[in-house]
Amino acid sequence: SYELTQPPSVSVSPGQTARITCSGDALPKQYAYWYQQKPGQAPVLVIYKDSERPSGIPERFSGSSSGTTVTLTISGVQAEDEADYYCQSADSSGTRVFGGGTKLTVL
Amino acid sequence: QVQLVESGGGLVKPGGSLRLSCAASGFTFSDYYMSWIRQAPGKGLEWVSYISSSGSTIYYADSVKGRFTISRDNAKNSLYLQMNSLRAEDTAVYYCAREPQQLTAFDIWGQGTMVTVSS
Repeated sequence: SYELTQPPSVSVSPGQTARITCSGDALPKQYAYWYQQKPGQAPVLVIYKDSERPSGIPERFSGSSSGTTVTLTISGVQAEDEADYYCQSADSSGTRVFGGGTKLTVL
Repeated sequence: QVQLVESGGGLVKPGGSLRLSCAASGFTFSDYYMSWIRQAPGKGLEWVSYISSSGSTIYYADSVKGRFTISRDNAKNSLYLQMNSLRAEDTAVYYCAREPQQLTAFDIWGQGTMVTVSS
């Protein structure tokens, strides 16, 4: 079955740039999406179609794609950005799939 | 406002059944695909099932295929998940989520309903 691979954790200091990667064989052919989930809350879509930002999402959140890897970049990280982040995509059979999630710690 | 509200979770014994519901409001439900996604305690997100806007196309994760059934009633603005032959590993918070037709992603999520499978 199709898998997306993320690092379990990323740590950054406030004001620095956080980069979270997600790798998957189908990513060159399928869009990737990113979600932010804070404790006790439902996930929130922060990036769609690899690099588009929904309305209401701060400009410091951006996405990029290169080959089989997509990257979520958070510039000027703030304490409120501490959360779990999940990438998500789909395969050609219609199955949706999530990465294992990355815990972002703001030091 | 746009809202999804799940209900129907609870405690059930292994082998038992449960039916989850998701009530949609604030948007034209019949224009959107819908999915169920779950999250076991302390674990990541797992997509469970998808249904197209008309209900004609349905997909399941391998982990639930043959045991779970997704359905929808566009007249009632509602999404359902019938869960049979439940196992301990089905214990999770179950979210319903909206999928715009131009995306394979989830732009609106409910608050989730907890399902616990235990004897």
